[in-house]
Amino acid sequence: AQSVTQLDSQVPVFEEAPVELRCNYSSSVSVYLFWYVQYPNQGLQLLLKYLSGSTLVESINGFEAEFNKSQTSFHLRKPSVHISDTAEYFCAVSDRGNTPLVFGKGTRLSVIA
Amino acid sequence: DGGITQSPKYLFRKEGQNVTLSCEQNLNHDAMYWYRQDPGQGLRLIYYSQIVNDFQKGDIAEGYSVSREKKESFPLTVTSAQKNPTAFYLCASSISTGMNTEAFFGQGTRLTVV
Repeated sequence: AQSVTQLDSQVPVFEEAPVELRCNYSSSVSVYLFWYVQYPNQGLQLLLKYLSGSTLVESINGFEAEFNKSQTSFHLRKPSVHISDTAEYFCAVSDRGNTPLVFGKGTRLSVIA
Repeated sequence: DGGITQSPKYLFRKEGQNVTLSCEQNLNHDAMYWYRQDPGQGLRLIYYSQIVNDFQKGDIAEGYSVSREKKESFPLTVTSAQKNPTAFYLCASSISTGMNTEAFFGQGTRLTVV
């Protein structure tokens, strides 16, 4: 069965500094990979996804993630964070088969002014 | 607007009572899911349904039940057998589990046992 490890439960960072949120998954078979963001007391919103093709994927608000098959990783990065990026971020994986998404435990990003 | 609607947003239940959480989608998706979220534990799958009149247990199905009588609706019942039901419950849908390119989420229901 798939599993997802988010190595940091909390990441504090100063405004305008870069950030990396780490994600590793267990399986080496072909996968779909996702990052979701959750603001307090709300549902999850898709931030970006890797399905196939270019290993670097980008979101409209400046986040990017790179699929690394050899390291089974899908780390999320942003070169300069804003206060509004404060939220919880979840990495998720699907094995392209007939199974639901498996989520990591989440990383709480706190941006400090 | 297309999307997923969960109701109510907040729910209080007395110990020993069953309670049903509503989830409706108008995205014409075949697959629907229920996840439970607890602080520091991420999202854990309770039940999912790939098609009407069919559903499968997830990782933490004990103490919960579901039905899928209509494509648009996937209600979750938290029974008195669930020993620790206080949590944030999230419903989601996708085109299908076989083409799991994206899951769309509702706004969640926060259940508190009093």
